[in-house]
Amino acid sequence: QVQLQESGPGLVKPSGTLSLTCAVSGGSISSSNWWSWVRQPPGKGLEWIGEIYHSGSTNYNPSLKSRVTISVDKSKNQFSLKLSSVTAADTAVYYCARDMDDSSGFRAFDIWGQGTMVTVSS
Amino acid sequence: EIVLTQSPGTLSLSPGERATLSCRASQSVSSSYLAWYQQKPGQAPRLLIYGASSRATGIPDRFSGSGSGTDFTLTISRLEPEDFAVYYCQQYGSSLRFGQGTKLEIK
Repeated sequence: QVQLQESGPGLVKPSGTLSLTCAVSGGSISSSNWWSWVRQPPGKGLEWIGEIYHSGSTNYNPSLKSRVTISVDKSKNQFSLKLSSVTAADTAVYYCARDMDDSSGFRAFDIWGQGTMVTVSS
Repeated sequence: EIVLTQSPGTLSLSPGERATLSCRASQSVSSSYLAWYQQKPGQAPRLLIYGASSRATGIPDRFSGSGSGTDFTLTISRLEPEDFAVYYCQQYGSSLRFGQGTKLEIK
């Protein structure tokens, strides 16, 4: 079955750029699904960051849009997140997630990665 | 932008009891785009309910979802020890938002 695995630096300096990758295994990123990034600050709730389709179409959380770029690499079967101008408020566990099949008519994340902790600190 | 408000913030119950969790939206939400998740400490969220009332694969039938418009409910008919966790509702309207969560704790 499809599995997702996040990877990237666990420590990023303030004002720098956070970069993460989500590798998709057991399935194709070119399937009929949207692929998302979700984050969770320590002890807090979930925040959606944005999503991408294999065509390259994207949607972003309006509150983060100016700092976020999500891209897809079909040759490597993965998608990536870049978050610029980070501060301590961006410290969180970052998850990648797959939305249900686009043809189902539903929107819900049926598969999640295990998450990766990113700390913003000098 | 649609805001989801979950209540109560914390729910203290005993195993075997019935749990009723509420998710209220600031504007009408398509039921097709309303989901519920369970999250345990140190784990990723797990999809329980999609389309407001459909159970995800492998989810026990003691979990049920209902509601429409602005008011949605997750019900756990008889609590098992493994059900004590944090629960989030989520909607996709003009953007995707999660509720702030309800912590279900053992009384």
